[in-house]
Amino acid sequence: NAGVTQTPKFQVLKTGQSMTLQCAQDMNHEYMSWYRQDPGMGLRLIHYSVGAGITDQGEVPNGYNVSRSTTEDFPLRLLSAAPSQTSVYFCASTSLNTEAFFGQGTRLTVV
Amino acid sequence: AQSVTQLGSHVSVSEGALVLLRCNYSSSVPPYLFWYVQYPNQGLQLLLKYTTGATLVKGINGFEAEFKKSETSFHLTKPSAHMSDAAEYFCAVRADSGYSTLTFGKGTMLLVSP
Repeated sequence: NAGVTQTPKFQVLKTGQSMTLQCAQDMNHEYMSWYRQDPGMGLRLIHYSVGAGITDQGEVPNGYNVSRSTTEDFPLRLLSAAPSQTSVYFCASTSLNTEAFFGQGTRLTVV
Repeated sequence: AQSVTQLGSHVSVSEGALVLLRCNYSSSVPPYLFWYVQYPNQGLQLLLKYTTGATLVKGINGFEAEFKKSETSFHLTKPSAHMSDAAEYFCAVRADSGYSTLTFGKGTMLLVSP
């Protein structure tokens, strides 16, 4: 079982570029979410999904888009990267009565 | 709405000493509570969780935590620290067993000295 897989692990973008962070899970979990981790801020929720075709905003959604076409995949899109989006991004999945399982993270730098 | 407060962004202990990491939460409904550990450049790994039932929960690596409803606390303890325990620890709360969101504290870095 791979669990939650995030790609890429590292990425450097120039301001204004776009990119997609990939997240896939093989546990058939209904609920998936994206967090960003910044020093001294803990993990803050960006977007989440309770199932295919259903997404909603979290605490810090501005500048990010998501979609959920399948149960397995939950990509996070940055349409026009800004230096403020430099962070470590974590994808997580969970199901009823289970804890959240996290990917290994994507370290993004926007210059 | 729910929130988590972790007291102390850094905690330093000597190897063999007691580890105590503090977590207080607020939740309008009975909470599910979690402690996660993050080693450098790694993802988050579950240490332990409280859902219902016994208020003292044991986790991996000798850690345990006690849910105290009257104090709205879920402090993490370990009787004897090891060098390998040095990491960042996050307390998190979820409203229930459903799909409500997980809210994290800001984390506590545990430093262990020889």
